[in-house]
Amino acid sequence: AQTVTQSQPEMSVQEAETVTLSCTYDTSESDYYLFWYKQPPSRQMILVIRQEAYKQQNATENRFSVNFQKAAKSFSLKISDSQLGDAAMYFCAYTNFGNEKLTFGTGTRLTIIP
Amino acid sequence: NAGVTQTPKFQVLKTGQSMTLQCAQDMNHEYMSWYRQDPGMGLRLIHYSVGAGITDQGEVPNGYNVSRSTTEDFPLRLLSAAPSQTSVYFCASSYNEYSYEQYFGPGTRLTVT
Repeated sequence: AQTVTQSQPEMSVQEAETVTLSCTYDTSESDYYLFWYKQPPSRQMILVIRQEAYKQQNATENRFSVNFQKAAKSFSLKISDSQLGDAAMYFCAYTNFGNEKLTFGTGTRLTIIP
Repeated sequence: NAGVTQTPKFQVLKTGQSMTLQCAQDMNHEYMSWYRQDPGMGLRLIHYSVGAGITDQGEVPNGYNVSRSTTEDFPLRLLSAAPSQTSVYFCASSYNEYSYEQYFGPGTRLTVT
């Protein structure tokens, strides 16, 4: 079974600074997807960014980018120019290709310091 | 499109009571699923469905029943609520099992006393 580990329960960053959230995963599959979801206080799960395992290029979405290290099974999220609206729980998640069952990490609570 | 909707938003039950959490989507998605979120444990899959008439168990199915009679609806039934089922429940859907993006509903916070 696949597992996803987020070893940082809480992180904080000064507004406008950069922060990196860590995620490692374990799988024997070669074809899979990785995701970062944001959950603000509203509780809504919002997809931030996704990475296909077959792509070597790291995904980027505006201020959000990932560092995907397939051999190390590492998938970190970098948030640049942090904004107050980035404050939320962030979940790393995994799914096999062709299997929509998501496996989530335990989350990292990100606080933005004004 | 309303996306994925869930009712109710909040519910308090007494131990032993039954209830149904409703989930509906208007995007003609084939795949639907239910997760529960507990503090410090992330989201865990309860049941899922790859299409009308087809359901299967996820990681934590005990105490929950599902059925999928239409593409749009995927209700989650608690037959005899227990305090261990106190949680936030999320419904999600995607176009099919090969699409990579799942759309989540707003969640239902359930408390069992």
